[in-house]
Amino acid sequence: KNEVEQSPQNLTAQEGEFITINCSYSVGISALHWLQQHPGGGIVSLFMLSSGKKKHGRLIATINIQEKHSSLHITASHPRDSAVYICAASPHSDNFGNEKLTFGTGTRLTIIP
Amino acid sequence: EPEVTQTPSHQVTQMGQEVILRCVPISNHLYFYWYRQILGQKVEFLVSFYNNEISEKSEIFDDQFSVERPDGSNFTLKIRSTKLEDSAMYFCASQRAPAGRGPNEQFFGPGTRLTVL
Repeated sequence: KNEVEQSPQNLTAQEGEFITINCSYSVGISALHWLQQHPGGGIVSLFMLSSGKKKHGRLIATINIQEKHSSLHITASHPRDSAVYICAASPHSDNFGNEKLTFGTGTRLTIIP
Repeated sequence: EPEVTQTPSHQVTQMGQEVILRCVPISNHLYFYWYRQILGQKVEFLVSFYNNEISEKSEIFDDQFSVERPDGSNFTLKIRSTKLEDSAMYFCASQRAPAGRGPNEQFFGPGTRLTVL
């Protein structure tokens, strides 16, 4: 059974700061997903990573498969980045397409103007 | 941009009543999921569905739960006799068929908040 751990649980920072959220998982995976959950509850997919690094705007996600660890970075943080960020793991499987996600507990990020 | 939709956005029901939560996945997607999130807790997998049958279900998904795709577009989650502990946000997600070997992104609906009184 895969366990997905995130840290920190809560993070408050000043606008403009560089943000890092960490995620570790316990067993082999096919991909690591970073998701954003807005105050209303909706979930948006930010990244899906199998290796290396991906960048989208001010967001950067990295993964180290050997260490079973991923990070989400936000550069030049802004109050609109305030949300819950969740990492979730897809299991290692030959049955691609049936990829139930195992979720971390989420990191609540608050950016103060 | 295509999106997953869910109805209703909020459902209030009495304990013991049946509820049906509806989802319309993205049209060319073939894999469908239900997840739930109890308030203050992490999101949990309930069930995955492909080719008109359940691919996998969690231990949460007991005999009170069922899923179906009645008309080729809607994907429904039915809870036969709701309990207080079924109160949660329920998310539907859909995923296209893999283009080759490798995982695919899942697209989430906005959720249905179920409140059981």
